[in-house]
Amino acid sequence: DGGITQSPKYLFRKEGQNVTLSCEQNLNHDAMYWYRQDPGQGLRLIYYSQIVNDFQKGDIAEGYSVSREKKESFPLTVTSAQKNPTAFYLCASSKYEYAGAPYEQYFGPGTRLTVT
Amino acid sequence: GENVEQHPSTLSVQEGDSAVIKCTYSDSASNYFPWYKQELGKGPQLIIDIRSNVGEKKDQRIAVTLNKTAKHFSLHITETQPEDSAVYFCAARAGGTSYGKLTFGQGTILTVHP
Repeated sequence: DGGITQSPKYLFRKEGQNVTLSCEQNLNHDAMYWYRQDPGQGLRLIYYSQIVNDFQKGDIAEGYSVSREKKESFPLTVTSAQKNPTAFYLCASSKYEYAGAPYEQYFGPGTRLTVT
Repeated sequence: GENVEQHPSTLSVQEGDSAVIKCTYSDSASNYFPWYKQELGKGPQLIIDIRSNVGEKKDQRIAVTLNKTAKHFSLHITETQPEDSAVYFCAARAGGTSYGKLTFGQGTILTVHP
């Protein structure tokens, strides 16, 4: 089955530690995205990548870092600089948008990160 | 940047009734408007989308309407069923070079009572 895998589903960390969230897709999509979801709020874009070895900051990139070394993988690191890291993190992917023609974004099941 | 407002935040209906969720957007250049359904503990799933060159789109019990002049779009669910209970998000994609960037509304918790 094609899809997006995020692991683990639940993650617990102590304050001051960096943590990396995994996102893997086998949909052969070029573009990948990371969103953060807080209770009662919509999804907010952290980082996105249209092709391998290239990525751009979204609306709330501070305290996060990403890499895109492989087409299938787009890991997100939540650093100790992120002031409120506890949230539900969602990864998504889509086809590459040629000439601005939008494509559906497919979402993974999410990782719930709790930092205490 | 784009700003999307979604109303209501919660919606409770009886099975068989219709449900309507409304969103407004700020960027007149936005050209793509998807709606997502999110069940508890899962990632959002696309249920319907509309592009700016279309005023209405329907898929069985679900329809979306777009008013570009007023910059608002709505989700209509008819003959609601208990399995329609979920959180629904609207989103807007800005035009130009903002590839793939979606701005989401705050979400609507829909509860369908049997």
